[in-house]
Amino acid sequence: DSGVTQTPKHLITATGQRVTLRCSPRSGDLSVYWYQQSLDQGLQFLIQYYNGEERAKGNILERFSAQQFPDLHSELNLSSLELGDSALYFCASRRASGADTQYFGPGTRLTVL
Amino acid sequence: DQQVKQNSPSLSVQEGRISILNCDYTNSMFDYFLWYKKYPAEGPTFLISISSIKDKNEDGRFTVFLNKSAKHLSLHIVPSQPGDSAVYFCAASGTGANNLFFGTGTRLTVIP
Repeated sequence: DSGVTQTPKHLITATGQRVTLRCSPRSGDLSVYWYQQSLDQGLQFLIQYYNGEERAKGNILERFSAQQFPDLHSELNLSSLELGDSALYFCASRRASGADTQYFGPGTRLTVL
Repeated sequence: DQQVKQNSPSLSVQEGRISILNCDYTNSMFDYFLWYKKYPAEGPTFLISISSIKDKNEDGRFTVFLNKSAKHLSLHIVPSQPGDSAVYFCAASGTGANNLFFGTGTRLTVIP
């Protein structure tokens, strides 16, 4: 158990809809990272927050947004969903900023029908 | 543009033998490398890492080797155990970077 929690575990929705994925980092970790893993792909970095502020952006679509709240949990919002958005979405956390060892949650599997 | 590549999607090894998983990278600015292990329905779990100032790092049955001139790293598991069967991801980062760059993974199967 990494100490990072993600909810929900599974999510099934229809095209055009909007969903919110939630992540709680390890106790004391200030950085939260979001990654997407599509079928047979590596993990693609989406976005990072550090202590409530956006710190880095990767291959995140404009239809996607995220935020980190004062209690350090983070939410990833996916809107106008398309079939191609079906993927595993992982959250990771780290004590500080930077990019060395990150600890991953169990992921949310999103299926868009 | 895939900056971290794992060219073998799968590998099968007999229990007790050595497993060697390979990873290549293209960005010469990368200076920190990690291996993660992933079981189905779970998130990636950190396994071992190496800084570019070293060429080898060992942790129990796991050893990571780094060849900077070839931009290549490998993970050796000796001896391999059935519980090692998982997908292994190589990841890299560079000074000032805020995220990790991942390879596409190698599925290791250790046959009892």
